[in-house]
Amino acid sequence: ERVLTQSPGTLSLSPGERATLSCRASESVGQSGGIDLLAWYQQKPGQPPRLLIYGASTRATGIPDRFSGGGSGTDFTLTISRLEPEDFAVYFCQQFGGSPPYTFGQGTKVEI
Amino acid sequence: EVLLVESGGALVQPGGSLRLSCAASGFTFSDYYMSWIRQTPGKGLEWVAIIKQDGSEIYYVDSVKGRFTISRDNAKNSLYLQMDSLRVDDTGVYYCARPPPGIGAFDFWGQGTVVTVSS
Repeated sequence: ERVLTQSPGTLSLSPGERATLSCRASESVGQSGGIDLLAWYQQKPGQPPRLLIYGASTRATGIPDRFSGGGSGTDFTLTISRLEPEDFAVYFCQQFGGSPPYTFGQGTKVEI
Repeated sequence: EVLLVESGGALVQPGGSLRLSCAASGFTFSDYYMSWIRQTPGKGLEWVAIIKQDGSEIYYVDSVKGRFTISRDNAKNSLYLQMDSLRVDDTGVYYCARPPPGIGAFDFWGQGTVVTVSS
């Protein structure tokens, strides 16, 4: 089972600042067509997770371009270039490669 | 508009059973794998099970194997999770979610249904 470890646990920032979140996999995530199957989600209290990034770097439909994903193999990052008030939330990474289980990281909370 | 609506969550005693349902609309249900994912106090977000479009392939996380059964009815655009021998650590919010082919992610989630296992 691939274990995903996110850091930091909590990120305390102000609106307008840049946020960089890390997700490290215990082994290389699976690939499809040469693309790493690593996704990022945002979750706010009382809501389900919302898909932000898939394939490590492709923004999902309707996601603002201040969100970007990068990395490959075992090390991935989610960057929010300029934090907006609505971006304060918990962020999860998730891998979908190879065979199940399709594991999630433990989350990073971005707080003011 | 894609909609996934879960139901069936309840308070149940340890060892009991529940059947969760997920009603899908706004897309061709029979074209997609479907999955159950839960969020528990102990483990956070945990993928639970996935079922192929025709039900011919099914996979579970180890912690629910032999206790949970995922199924679907394409004629009713519905996904199900039969949960037996429930344990306290099964307590959480259960989501159904859709993984489109090739993207390795879940693009739509329901609002979730709450399962509480307690005596």
